[in-house]
Amino acid sequence: QITLRESGPTLVKPTQTLTLTCTFSGFSLKTTGVGVGWIRQPPGEALEWLALIFWDDNERYTPSLKTRLTITKDTSKNQVVLTMTTMDPADTATYYCVHRPNSGSFFDYWGQGTLVTVSS
Amino acid sequence: DIQMTQSPSSLSASVGDKVTITCRASQDISDNLAWYQQKPGKAPKFLLYAPSFLQSGVPSRFSGSGSGTDFTLTISSLQPEDVATYYCQNYYSAPYTFGQGTRLEIK
Repeated sequence: QITLRESGPTLVKPTQTLTLTCTFSGFSLKTTGVGVGWIRQPPGEALEWLALIFWDDNERYTPSLKTRLTITKDTSKNQVVLTMTTMDPADTATYYCVHRPNSGSFFDYWGQGTLVTVSS
Repeated sequence: DIQMTQSPSSLSASVGDKVTITCRASQDISDNLAWYQQKPGKAPKFLLYAPSFLQSGVPSRFSGSGSGTDFTLTISSLQPEDVATYYCQNYYSAPYTFGQGTRLEIK
C-alpha cells in the first residue's frame, strides 16, 4: 500500500530556510505519470497546493511562492524534498506530502502532515 | 489562477438527510474536479475525481456530478461519521487550487 511520511523541523525562525523531506513507499517515482507534491494548511484555514514533481523531473509551483520554493526528488531513496526560503510567521502551517496518480493531478494518498511554526 | 468557490461555507443537517455541496470554478475546467473530506485533526481523504468516480473504499452514499464550471458533491443519507470539512480541487491546470471548504455538522 502507498504511504508517505513528512519529516523536518517543527520550529523555524523568520528569514530561515525550511527543508522538508517526504519519504514514501508502495510506488515508484519512475512510473510514467506519477508525481509527489506538497500542500499546506495554516491553522483553521483552507488547503493550499504548493508544488509538484513528476516522474520525468518536470516541476510545477504555485505562482505566488514560486521564487521561494524548490522541489527535488531522489528516486533511489524514495524521497522528495521541499525547500522554502525566507520563512515568515504567515508560513506557519501543517505541510502535507501527497501522491499524484498517473490519471491526473489530484492527490489520492496523503501523509499525516507536519506542523511547522515560524517564530523567533 | 482558477478560483474555486464552494457553497455553502457551512451547513447543518440531520442524520439521514440528503446533503449537497456546490463548487464553482472561475473558468471551464471540463471534468477535472476532485473532492476531499477532512475530519478534525486529520489529513484530508480523497473521495472522488472526474468528478463522479468514487475512490475505492469510499461509501456509495457519496456521489459527484458536474462539468465545466459547476459541480456538486452529494451525500445521499447523512451519517454521523460524515461530520467533516469538504474541499473541491481543480486539477485542470496548475496551480491546482482548492475551494475554501464547506464545514458539515449534524443538527
